Amino acid sequence: KQEVTQIPAALSVPEGENLVLNCSFTDSAIYNLQWFRQDPGKGLTSLLLIQSSQREQTSGRLNASLDKSSGRSTLYIAASQPGDSATYLCAVMQDNQFYFGTGTSLTVIP
Amino acid sequence: EAQVTQNPRYLITVTGKKLTVTCSQNMNHEYMSWYRQDPGLGLRQIYYSMNVEVTDKGDVPEGYKVSRKEKRNFPLILESPSPNQTSLYFCASSSIGGVVDSPLHFGNGTRLTVT
Repeated sequence: KQEVTQIPAALSVPEGENLVLNCSFTDSAIYNLQWFRQDPGKGLTSLLLIQSSQREQTSGRLNASLDKSSGRSTLYIAASQPGDSATYLCAVMQDNQFYFGTGTSLTVIP
Repeated sequence: EAQVTQNPRYLITVTGKKLTVTCSQNMNHEYMSWYRQDPGLGLRQIYYSMNVEVTDKGDVPEGYKVSRKEKRNFPLILESPSPNQTSLYFCASSSIGGVVDSPLHFGNGTRLTVT
C-alpha cells in the first residue's frame, strides 16, 4: 500500500528566507502528485499539480519538483512571507485513489 | 464561482442515529471523493466515484455509504454512526478521468461529533 511521508512535521523560519518542504512516497507507480495548503479550520487549497511524466511545476514563488524513480518531491518556497504560514500537504494519486502525507506546519516569523 | 459545497459545517449527533452529509460541485467534474482527517493520521480516503453510478472504496470505507446518482452530488451516509467516526470530513472533486486533469478541489469540511 502506498505510504506518503512529509519531513519535517513543523518548520519555523524568518520572513524572507527560502525554504524546501519534502515529500516521499513508497511506490513510484503514481499518476500524479499534488501539493496543497491548509489554513486552520479550512479546507485544502491546491498549489501545484505535477503529472507523472513531468519533472517540475512553477507558480509564482512556488516550485515543485518530482523524482518518481526515487519516490520524492520537494516544494520550494522563495522569499517566504508571514502569509505563507499554513500546513502544507502532498498527495499522490495511484489507481484512482489519493494518498496524503500528514503535512508540514510552516510558521514564517515577521 | 467554481466550488465544492458541503453541508452541514458542524454536526453533533448520537450513536446510531443515521445521518447524511451532502456534497455538491458546480464544475462538471467526473471524479468525486470523501476523506476524513484525524490528528496524527492525516487525510484518508473513504470512498470515491469516477462518474455517475460508479463508486469504489478507499482506505477506510467501513461504516460509510455513498451514492452517485447525479454528476454534481456525492452524499456521504453514516447509517449507524459510532464515536470513532468523530472526525473532520472533506469532500473533493476533480476532472481526473475526464478530458483534462485538474487539481482536487475541496469543500470547507464538516466537523462531525458522535456522542
